[in-house]
Amino acid sequence: QVQLVQSGAEVKKPGASVKVSCKASGYTFTDYYMHWVRQAPGQGLEWVGWIDPNSGATTSAQKFQGRVTMTRDTSISTGYMELSRLTSDDTAVYYCATSLKRGDGCNLFGYWGQGTLVTVSS
Amino acid sequence: DIQMTQSPSTLSASVGDRVTITCRASQSISSWLAWYQQKPGKAPKFLIYKASSLESGVPSRFSGSGSGTEFTLTISSLQPDDFATYYCQQYNSYPLTFGGGTKVEIK
Repeated sequence: QVQLVQSGAEVKKPGASVKVSCKASGYTFTDYYMHWVRQAPGQGLEWVGWIDPNSGATTSAQKFQGRVTMTRDTSISTGYMELSRLTSDDTAVYYCATSLKRGDGCNLFGYWGQGTLVTVSS
Repeated sequence: DIQMTQSPSTLSASVGDRVTITCRASQSISSWLAWYQQKPGKAPKFLIYKASSLESGVPSRFSGSGSGTEFTLTISSLQPDDFATYYCQQYNSYPLTFGGGTKVEIK
């Protein structure tokens, strides 16, 4: 079965960086985009970006450009999202997600990781 | 960016009720709309794509409709497991965006 298992909770100081990992299993990792979506406490969902694990190409929302780096290690079917210059506004649960659909369905979120809480506090 | 607006933000209903949630896009997104269900402390669950296509394994009491800028999610007969927050998401263009959510509460 499809599983996305994320790394554990992080506490960071303002200005620091955080790197979250997401290990995929149950499907061919390089066949489908891996997306990152975040959710601030008590708030809605916000798309961060995606990485194509096959090529390494990435696309991110403009508000994160210059601060977010998405990478992957195909040898261990793991994606990574690093966010730099953290502020308190970045406190959120960060999810990885994939669709297992191609074409227009590649930007859907059919399968989700369990989420990683990132807390930014001085 | 395409803004997605859901209404109502909160809905109180009873088991067995028919429930309808509306999602409006700030510009036409054709049928590139999905719906998700989220329970507290859990990741969202994928329900519907392309406005009206039910994802495999999702109960048939869930249905979606609409195109262009106005969409609806309907639960034909609300079950105890359906009390949750529902989000719409457009995938017509980047950035992918979500509605603010509709919380379905027990009346």
